[in-house]
Amino acid sequence: EIVMTHSPATLSVSPGERATLSCRASRSVSNDLAWYQQKPGQPPRLLIYGASTRATGIPARFSGSGSGTEFTLTISSLQSEDFAVYYCQQYNKWPLWTFGQGTKVEIK
Amino acid sequence: QVQLQESGLGLLKPSETLSLTCTVSGYPVSKGYYWAWIRQPPGKGLEWIANIYQSGSAYYNSSLRSRLTISVDASKNQVSLKVTSVTATDTAVYYCARQDSSGVLDIWGQGTVVTVSS
Repeated sequence: EIVMTHSPATLSVSPGERATLSCRASRSVSNDLAWYQQKPGQPPRLLIYGASTRATGIPARFSGSGSGTEFTLTISSLQSEDFAVYYCQQYNKWPLWTFGQGTKVEIK
Repeated sequence: QVQLQESGLGLLKPSETLSLTCTVSGYPVSKGYYWAWIRQPPGKGLEWIANIYQSGSAYYNSSLRSRLTISVDASKNQVSLKVTSVTATDTAVYYCARQDSSGVLDIWGQGTVVTVSS
């Protein structure tokens, strides 16, 4: 099983600031990496796939980068609606898809 | 607009069988995607459980395989999941989602809460 590890577990950021979230894979997943956003009481929402491609309707302030084992989700200027938990998911190992435990982005 | 809606009994006793249904609207389940189940225990992260293709080809999480059955009914545009011999560790929100051939989960249902308690 490929283990996905987020850092930090919690990120405190002020509105308008930049947020940088990291996700590490226990072995290379190439660029088979997706990011999801989850707000309380809601299902996850796909943000990024292919490590860096924004899903339909996702604002340009969200960007993804990385390949292999190290990945980053950047939110360039945090809006109030961006405070949520963010999960990465690897889909390189079919059908053994795995998620990280998430990074919570909270208001500073 | 594609929408997924989960349904099923929300409270079970240990050893019972969990039965969930995902009703899909706005897209035929027989057309080109996998349909997956994912669960999330209270306050925890996401766990992929199983998926199925239109042909009926199914894949299961190896840690749960012996207790799972997933099926698809194209005539009702539904996907179903059964989990046998449930325990408290099966307590979670269960989501269904559309999954593409690479593994990306692009559309999710709202989820249904399942509690296992004696």
